[in-house]
Amino acid sequence: DIQLTQSPSALSASVGDRVTITCRASRSITTYLNWYYQKPGKPPKLLIYAASSLQSGVPSRFSGSGSGTDFTLTISSLQPEDFATYYCQQSYDLLPITFGQGTRLEIK
Amino acid sequence: QVQLQQSGAGLLKPSETLSLTCDVYGASFSDYYWSWLRQPAGKGLEWIGEVSHTGATTYNPSLNSRATISVDTSTNQFSLSIKSLTAADTAIYYCARNKGHSPADWGQGTLVTVSS
Repeated sequence: DIQLTQSPSALSASVGDRVTITCRASRSITTYLNWYYQKPGKPPKLLIYAASSLQSGVPSRFSGSGSGTDFTLTISSLQPEDFATYYCQQSYDLLPITFGQGTRLEIK
Repeated sequence: QVQLQQSGAGLLKPSETLSLTCDVYGASFSDYYWSWLRQPAGKGLEWIGEVSHTGATTYNPSLNSRATISVDTSTNQFSLSIKSLTAADTAIYYCARNKGHSPADWGQGTLVTVSS
C-alpha cells in the first residue's frame, strides 16, 4: 500500500492566517493526489484534485501543489468555515486507494 | 446536481452481513465509477472499493474478500454487502460518485454498529 503522511496532525490558526498542510507519499504518485475537508458529522468534500486543480465551487483561497512524493495544500486567508479536518488521498495505486491520517485545523 | 441517498440497516450482530444501498439522482450511471468508503468514529477514512457501470469491481484487500459491490443501472442504484461482521466493522459508511477513481460527491453517511 502507498502510505500518505500528513503534517502537522493538528494546527491552530487565526482567521486571516495563511496555512499550509503537507502530505508525503511513501513512493511516487506523480500528481494522483487529492485534498478533502470534513466538518464534524458531515461527509468529506473534495477541494483539490490532480494535486493542483480546484474542484468546481471551491473558493480560490484554496490551492494545491506538488508532484512525486511531496504535496502541499495552502489556504491563503483562513475563513471561519475553514476550520475542519483535512485529508489527502492518492489514486495512483488502486489496490488500495489510501488516505492520509488527517490534519485537524483549529481556531487559535 | 447529483444526489446520493443511502439506506440500509444500522445495527447488526457479529457474524451477520451488512447490506447498504445508494440511490443516485441527477447523474448518468454510465459515465462514472462509484465507491464505498467507511470511517470509524473519530478516525480516518478507509476506501472499501468501487464499481463501474458495467459491474467491474475493485476492492481493498484489507477486507479479505468479505465485501461485494454491485450496480443496478435500471434503478440507478449501487449496493454494498460485507459478510462475517465483527466489531471492527463498526463505522460510518459512505457511498460516493467518483471523479476518475477518487470519491467526489458523497452520500450522507450511514452509521453501522456491530454489537451483540
